[in-house]
Amino acid sequence: ETGVTQTPRHLVMGMTNKKSLKCEQHLGHNAMYWYKQSAKKPLELMFVYSLEERVENNSVPSRFSPECPNSSHLFLHLHTLQPEDSALYLCASSQALGGGATDTQYFGPGTRLTVL
Amino acid sequence: KNEVEQSPQNLTAQEGEFITINCSYSVGISALHWLQQHPGGGIVSLFMLSSGKKKHGRLIATINIQEKHSSLHITASHPRDSAVYICAVPYNTDKLIFGTGTRLQVFP
Repeated sequence: ETGVTQTPRHLVMGMTNKKSLKCEQHLGHNAMYWYKQSAKKPLELMFVYSLEERVENNSVPSRFSPECPNSSHLFLHLHTLQPEDSALYLCASSQALGGGATDTQYFGPGTRLTVL
Repeated sequence: KNEVEQSPQNLTAQEGEFITINCSYSVGISALHWLQQHPGGGIVSLFMLSSGKKKHGRLIATINIQEKHSSLHITASHPRDSAVYICAVPYNTDKLIFGTGTRLQVFP
């Protein structure tokens, strides 16, 4: 049990669909992250939230829209995705405010997304 | 060129062998992370270290700040150690840069 849960674990969607990924952390952490992991590529940071405020938006296309309603929940809203967006989307959390580079991050199991 | 390079990319071993995975980086850092990713995707943080050596069970991580190099060692490897091992370094206070990972398979 990592303390970070993600739903759904698998998602198949068409390019015209709208779907949302959910992440919840039960660790009392203050920072949450969305990462994308494509095949044979390193993990890429997408968004960072600290105390529900976005502190990093790593040049992510607008078809990905994050939402952080409170410090325990993080959503990634998806719309009009492209097949190249198929990847594993990982959520993580850390105790530190505004960053995680020098703090341990705790990862969820990921959502395997396939865009047809 | 990725700022974090790992070697080897793939590694196979027999149970019981001593394993070494290497990580070299080009940016100045305050700490380096080693992560483990099992089939299915879940990632676990193994170590965060800024100098010297850390040990946890059969896992040992070392870092040489001057040479910008870190190694992850696994003693008495076991099939359950089969996973992808990822090295990551801070880019700034908000970001980690990740290596592409080393895929380890340990056979009985």
